[in-house]
This record gives sequence, C-alpha cells and structure tokens, in this order.
Amino acid sequence: DAGITQSPRHKVTETGTPVTLRCHQTENHRYMYWYRQDPGHGLRLIHYSYGVKDTDKGEVSDGYSVSRSKTEDFLLTLESATSSQTSVYFCAVMGSGELFFGEGSRLTVL
Amino acid sequence: KNEVEQSPQNLTAQEGEFITINCSYSVGISALHWLQQHPGGGIVSLFMLSSGKKKHGRLIATINIQEKHSSLHITASHPRDSAVYICAVVSGSARQLTFGSGTQLTVLP
Repeated sequence: DAGITQSPRHKVTETGTPVTLRCHQTENHRYMYWYRQDPGHGLRLIHYSYGVKDTDKGEVSDGYSVSRSKTEDFLLTLESATSSQTSVYFCAVMGSGELFFGEGSRLTVL
Repeated sequence: KNEVEQSPQNLTAQEGEFITINCSYSVGISALHWLQQHPGGGIVSLFMLSSGKKKHGRLIATINIQEKHSSLHITASHPRDSAVYICAVVSGSARQLTFGSGTQLTVLP
C-alpha cells in the first residue's frame, strides 16, 4: 500500500471553528485527493493535487482549501466549519496506476 | 448529470448466484478502478483497467473503451461479498478521479 495515514481520525468541533485534516503518504506518489462521503451522495471530490503546490478544485470545493507543500502531505482546511461539513473525509493516493485510500476521518460539526 | 453512472443501485442475491454490476461513463478516461467498501470499513481497490479484462479469484472486471462501459462480475457469490462496489474513472492530465454513486450488494445465505 501507499502507507496512507489520515489524522485526526475523529474530530468534534463547533460551527465557525477552523479545522485541518492531514493526509500523509510514505511512497512519494504524485496524485492525492480529498473526498467526502455522505449517505445518499457517495464519494464526492473536494480537491485534488497533481504535484507539490499543484492543486485543483473538485465538485464540492466551496468552504474548503488545500495545501501541498511536500509530496507526502496533503492538507484539507475548513476555514470556518459549518454543520453541512459534518461528514466522513477520505484521502486517496494514486501511483503506479494503483489507487489507495486512507481509513477516513469522521468530522462532526455541532 | 453524473459523468459516471452505476447500475443497479441496490442488488440482493442468493449465495452462489452470478452477479453483474455495470458502470457507464461519458468522458474520455485513461483508466477505471473498481472499489469495494464494507460497512463501516475502508475502501480498497479491486481492479484497475485501461482495456480488456482482469480476473482475481471469483471477481472479473471488463472494460469496453469504445462503448465507455465497464462491468464487474462476481461468480459464486458469498455473503462476505456483501459490500458497496464503486467504479471510479481517471481523466485528464491531472488524473482527476470521478466516482459512481456505488452499488449496495447484499448476498443472502
């Protein structure tokens, strides 16, 4: 696998607070992705990265920003969390034609 | 309209039945992945296809690039195959990933 670690795995926060989720990989793969998974919606792309400092928006990017200053880390930031951002967030990494997923981060915004 | 359509959304089968899940897409792709997610569990990749057919145990995946269609088959289904199966397509030079909505498979003993 790509040695993917997501942190934190669980977080409860209050509306209006900033939240950062981290995705870390150990294999130096180029492509990294952040998704959210909600009942009835499946997996929806938030942002993705195709290299250091190279990122682009997905279909549900409003309210989210990302940064990739190192190959191994892809950070997802909710600048001011809202209840609609309560979800399970998955990081994915693609390399050598294979696709690997992190274990997910469950975020609850009260 | 979603660029990736899966069918059926839900499927219930008896143990031992042959199962087919379909995925159609509307964009040009460089690859297609079939994924499996068990309840409360993580997501694992079953296959990556860019052409033709692949087989792993009781699972077979095919893709027809011209028709923009892929199928996942499960032979001799078993209750442990119960999971959500998701297809994902890779497109563009930046390798954007787009997912289908998933197929919830339940195999009854």
